[in-house]
Amino acid sequence: DTAVSQTPKYLVTQMGNDKSIKCEQNLGHDTMYWYKQDSKKFLKIMFSYNNKELIINETVPNRFSPKSPDKAHLNLHINSLELGDSAVYFCASSRLEVLAGGVGDEQFFGPGTRLTVL
Amino acid sequence: GQNIDQPTEMTATEGAIVQINCTYQTSGFNGLFWYQQHAGEAPTFLSYNVLDGLEEKGRFSSFLSRSKGYSYLLLKELQMKDSASYLCAVRDSNYQLIWGAGTKLIIKP
Repeated sequence: DTAVSQTPKYLVTQMGNDKSIKCEQNLGHDTMYWYKQDSKKFLKIMFSYNNKELIINETVPNRFSPKSPDKAHLNLHINSLELGDSAVYFCASSRLEVLAGGVGDEQFFGPGTRLTVL
Repeated sequence: GQNIDQPTEMTATEGAIVQINCTYQTSGFNGLFWYQQHAGEAPTFLSYNVLDGLEEKGRFSSFLSRSKGYSYLLLKELQMKDSASYLCAVRDSNYQLIWGAGTKLIIKP
């Protein structure tokens, strides 16, 4: 009955490889996100996606691409992995990106995927 | 540019009170969040402020002053399990969350 799940939890791979991280939420949320948290613990938004719109952080290399087969899933594909891609990647979800009246809507995070590129 | 500032690290004693400050400069404001993140775990939601004033939730309270671009998280009766990083995040005019780098809180017995 996990709310937001990610697989795998750990991923060790060689430079140049292509890999995917899967994310699923069973909360019925409309919006999902991918974050990168580097060694300095700074949490950076990579993508946010609902059934209407994909918002991409312009600083994210196009080697990274989100794929959403349905509302409950947002997978992250990474091509030609580089050493600097090593980080923890978190998936998150929330009900709506914007609620009427600006009511707060917290994000629920998955457990994270620790990616190590050798 | 958009900026969220928090102290990098703070130390406090078990049973005491600690205040973690957050100042922000963003393009617009649509709410401020505090999250807790234990080492090796995912962030979890603590509090939300959109209007000026204090929001209290048990041992944790969060304060907001929009005119000053300032918030703080107040933790009372500190317990060892409160050792964690505390992340401040502001939702800007495009409803995008801008995250601070987090404050690592160390609790000593």
